Amino acid sequence: GAVVSQHPSWVICKSGTSVKIECRSLDFQATTMFWYRQFPKQSLMLMATSNEGSKATYEQGVEKDKFLINHASLTLSTLTVTSAHPEDSSFYICSTSVGGDGYTFGSGTRLTVV
Amino acid sequence: SQQGEEDPQALSIQEGENATMNCSYKTSINNLQWYRQNSGRGLVHLILIRSNEREKHSGRLRVTLDTSKKSSSLLITASRAADTASYFCATTGNQFYFGTGTSLTVIP
Repeated sequence: GAVVSQHPSWVICKSGTSVKIECRSLDFQATTMFWYRQFPKQSLMLMATSNEGSKATYEQGVEKDKFLINHASLTLSTLTVTSAHPEDSSFYICSTSVGGDGYTFGSGTRLTVV
Repeated sequence: SQQGEEDPQALSIQEGENATMNCSYKTSINNLQWYRQNSGRGLVHLILIRSNEREKHSGRLRVTLDTSKKSSSLLITASRAADTASYFCATTGNQFYFGTGTSLTVIP
């Protein structure tokens, strides 16, 4: 089946630094990629929708200058958390449609900002 | 904003028992999906039910959909300890949103 490879699976960074998370679609083209954030014991919250070759659409309350999304190719979308702070510590997951009504998810990235 | 809400938020049962989780949503949908998430891991797609379907089965899973009540249920029969996880419903319409999730614990 369709697979989305997400890296890194976990990362620890210092406050003020930036972290890039990558999601690659393997063996298929992902025109649209969804980015989610999940706090402990909570549900996934949609942060933004990225479309290949165009600007991402951010959900209300999500800072676009802080969470930079790039979808430069049909197989790669990246989320960069800029000037990270401890409150940015969270679990980030990407997802894409695989045709019809199906979706596939990356394995997630656990970000810890110290 | 949250589209789907699930209940119960947490469920603890003995191995072999059935587990039922419910999901309610607010707006019209194209389909509804159920996902499983082991602690700190990614999501695994379990089953999709379309808006014109009322019931669907997959192995030990049974999903129902009542569009008039805007609700769905996930039944896991003959539960196993390995079923311990969080279960989320997700709806697709104009957007794709997740429910609040049910944390299931199956006690061996």
